[in-house]
Amino acid sequence: DAKTTQPPSMDCAEGRAANLPCNHSTISGNEYVYWYRQIHSQGPQYIIHGLKNNETNEMASLIITEDRKSSTLILPHATLRDTAVYYCIVNTGTASKLTFGTGTRLQVTL
Amino acid sequence: DAGVIQSPRHEVTEMGQEVTLRCKPISGHNSLFWYRQTMMRGLELLIYFNNNVPIDDSGMPEDRFSAKMPNASFSTLKIQPSEPRDSAVYFCASRSTGGLGEQFFGPGTRLTVL
Repeated sequence: DAKTTQPPSMDCAEGRAANLPCNHSTISGNEYVYWYRQIHSQGPQYIIHGLKNNETNEMASLIITEDRKSSTLILPHATLRDTAVYYCIVNTGTASKLTFGTGTRLQVTL
Repeated sequence: DAGVIQSPRHEVTEMGQEVTLRCKPISGHNSLFWYRQTMMRGLELLIYFNNNVPIDDSGMPEDRFSAKMPNASFSTLKIQPSEPRDSAVYFCASRSTGGLGEQFFGPGTRLTVL
C-alpha cells in the first residue's frame, strides 16, 4: 500500500470549513484514497473514499488532484463534535488490510 | 443494526492470566478484523478473516495470541499468558462482501494487564 503523509495537527473554528490535506505521491493506479476518523475513546469511523473523481457525501467532500498524488478532505461546516484524529489511507479497495498512519489531529474550537 | 459488538468493554487482569476478547460482526459481513491500538505503535492490524477463515495473521505479535472465528457471527481473540505490554485497546471491525475496503469498527476493549 502507498504511504501517506499528513500534518500532525490542525485547528479550525466552529462553523468554518476544515480542509485536511494528504500526500500520497506513490499511489498506484488501482488504489483508492480512504478517510477515516477516530473520536476520542471510540473506534475509527469511515468517512469517504475516492479513486479519481471528487466525491461528496453527508459527512464530507473529498478532492483528489488530477495526478492523484494528493487529496483534501473537506468538512464544510466543522462542529465541536468533529474534533478527532483523521486518517488518510490508500488501498486497492479489495485488499483488506488498512494501514493507519499517525493521522491529523483536528481540534475544532469555539 | 446494532453495529459491531465487542465484549467486555474493559478488562483488568494480572500478568499470566488468560484473556479472551469477543466480537460479534455486523450481520451479513463476511470479513472480520482484529486491531490493537497503543500510544507507542498506533493502530495495528493483528489478523483478519474472510468467510470465517484466517487469511493474514502476520500482525499477531507472538504465539501467546490466538484468534478464532467458529461461525459468521462470532470471533474471539485470546491472550495466554497475558503480559503488561499487552495493555492496549483492541478493536474488532467487519466488512461486507461488496464493500470497497469500508470497515465498520466496534467500540473496542480496553485491556489492562497488571
